[in-house]
Formats: sequence, C-alpha cells, structure tokens
Amino acid sequence: DVKVTQSSRYLVKRTGEKVFLECVQDMDHENMFWYRQDPGLGLRLIYFSYDVKMKEKGDIPEGYSVSREKKERFSLILESASTNQTSMYLCASGRTGGSGANVLTFGAGSRLTVL
Amino acid sequence: AQSVTQLDSHVSVSEGTPVLLRCNYSSSYSPSLFWYVQHPNKGLQLLLKYTSAATLVKGINGFEAEFKKSETSFHLTKPSAHMSDAAEYFCVVILSNFGNEKLTFGTGTRLTIIP
Repeated sequence: DVKVTQSSRYLVKRTGEKVFLECVQDMDHENMFWYRQDPGLGLRLIYFSYDVKMKEKGDIPEGYSVSREKKERFSLILESASTNQTSMYLCASGRTGGSGANVLTFGAGSRLTVL
Repeated sequence: AQSVTQLDSHVSVSEGTPVLLRCNYSSSYSPSLFWYVQHPNKGLQLLLKYTSAATLVKGINGFEAEFKKSETSFHLTKPSAHMSDAAEYFCVVILSNFGNEKLTFGTGTRLTIIP
C-alpha cells in the first residue's frame, strides 16, 4: 500500500560529493514536493513541481536542484554536499484541486548525513 | 501573510488521560488547517483537516480539533491517550485560495505517553 517511495532511507556522504535523492508516487498526483525537516524548525519547502519538467523554488532552494522528467518521479540533487545539509528529507505529492486539494501524502523520509 | 505557532514543543501525558496539543494561527483570510502526525521513522500522515465546514473536525484514531476563529486556534484533542499515540504532531495552515506550495508547517509537538 506504499504510495510515495523514497529510494534511500539512510545515506552517508562526504563533503563535496554529488547526492541524488529520488522519489516516486503511484497516485497520479500533479504536484510533488521536497521538504527538509530539522529539529525545532518543522518542515521547510526546498522545491516543488506542478507538472513534468516544471519546477519552482520553495523557501530554502540554495544548494539544491530538482528534476522531474516523468509525472511520477521527482528527484532532489545536491550538487556539492555540505555538512549543513545533514538533515531528514521528505518527499510529498498532492492534487491540484478537488476534495483532496492541499492534502499531501508523504514518503518515509531519507536521512542524509554529510561528513 | 500566514503563520502557525505550536505552543508546546513537548507534551507528556499518562496513558488513559486526555491529550491537548495547542496550535494558534495567523492568517489574513479564511484559512484551511490541518494536523499531521509523524511516528518514529515514518513519513507524515494526515490526522484531520478543517476547510470552512463544521468547526469541530473529527480525525483518525479518536483525535479531533476545533476551529475557533475568535481565538485563532485549532487545538488537537483526544479524550484518552494510548501508547500508540506517541509521535510528533504538526499543525499546518494554508490560505484557502492558495495552492498547496503555500502550506506553512508549525515546528511540531512531540507527544510522550507515560505508561
């Protein structure tokens, strides 16, 4: 019954490495999101996408990029990982309208440690 | 502008006693409000949502929340806590006419249940 799948639960990378976090949803949702979760800060939006090949910056896009080549897949890329990007990353998807509007379905998260 | 404040970062209650998790919001317009729950090592799951219908909203697992416009509050309650309720809870606000990239998350309340 898994609906939003994040490819890696735990990753350990070194400073300067390129990091890919992948997310797949099977609900045919138009919208997909990447959040970062840190203790005491709640969830902060990094990037989101309304459609294939579309991307929009969220509140904290610096140091990140994204790719959405297919409707079901949304990737987060750290071009050159830094220690301050050590965090829990959450992917989510949602519909644009209808009764499910503004309700997000989340993946289990990817905990990234940058050494 | 919109914002949301969760008044307690940690709440501890004994099993079988009532739960109260407090949330206040700030919004210039009619908001939609949500509570999400995150169990350890899991993604966020929707508990309940308010979207300008009945002010008392019932959610899953016996939780409910009451929208009080005069107090700008949306507190989450449960009559009797269960050990399985131990988790982190997030209050979320969005202006009703915005897309879901405008969701604003609170900083979370960690609920501990004492046996």
